[in-house]
Amino acid sequence: DQQVKQNSPSLSVQEGRISILNCDYTNSMFDYFLWYKKYPAEGPTFLISISSIKDKNEDGRFTVFLNKSAKHLSLHIVPSQPGDSAVYFCAASGGMSDALNFGKGTSLLVTP
Amino acid sequence: DAGVIQSPRHEVTEMGQEVTLRCKPISGHNSLFWYRQTMMRGLELLIYFNNNVPIDDSGMPEDRFSAKMPNASFSTLKIQPSEPRDSAVYFCASSLRGFDQPQHFGDGTRLSIL
Repeated sequence: DQQVKQNSPSLSVQEGRISILNCDYTNSMFDYFLWYKKYPAEGPTFLISISSIKDKNEDGRFTVFLNKSAKHLSLHIVPSQPGDSAVYFCAASGGMSDALNFGKGTSLLVTP
Repeated sequence: DAGVIQSPRHEVTEMGQEVTLRCKPISGHNSLFWYRQTMMRGLELLIYFNNNVPIDDSGMPEDRFSAKMPNASFSTLKIQPSEPRDSAVYFCASSLRGFDQPQHFGDGTRLSIL
């Protein structure tokens, strides 16, 4: 069963606007959450993370928000750029395992 | 600094053949992970090692799959015998051990079993 879900397979945003990617999880043991960006024929690249003791983490144009009560996190990209076009994966870990549980990804297209 | 290095990048072989995928983690990282990506199941863990010791192999599909980490700088994932349903992209990732340590991925091996 999928413990991390990204319900939007794709998203299209105009350059300069905000991109918001969403992720939901079901396992309350998860305490570390990450976003990865993936281009075709490459491996996932780490983008930003957040631990469960925080509700927000910011790195340049990228901000991740965590709502533990709703078991929901989101990635905001402001402003969006054409180079941000990629597949974005949400991942989570916690409990007894170091392994990452991944969502199925959201394909972001930023148009000029 | 060199990232995680995987070889080969592509492998095409006939069913029944033995397949060996290789991974060199980032120097100094003491955790290593093997993941598989398919259209149906997405990215899923196969096995991971801490300090060269296998910790969780519950994701290994069946006995045809085996993984080893003989030293801190090398790991292999072997499939014997291979089957068409093993066709996927296999990723290796490494990280420092501990909470709040992101995993860093190689570029994967695209495996096609005919």
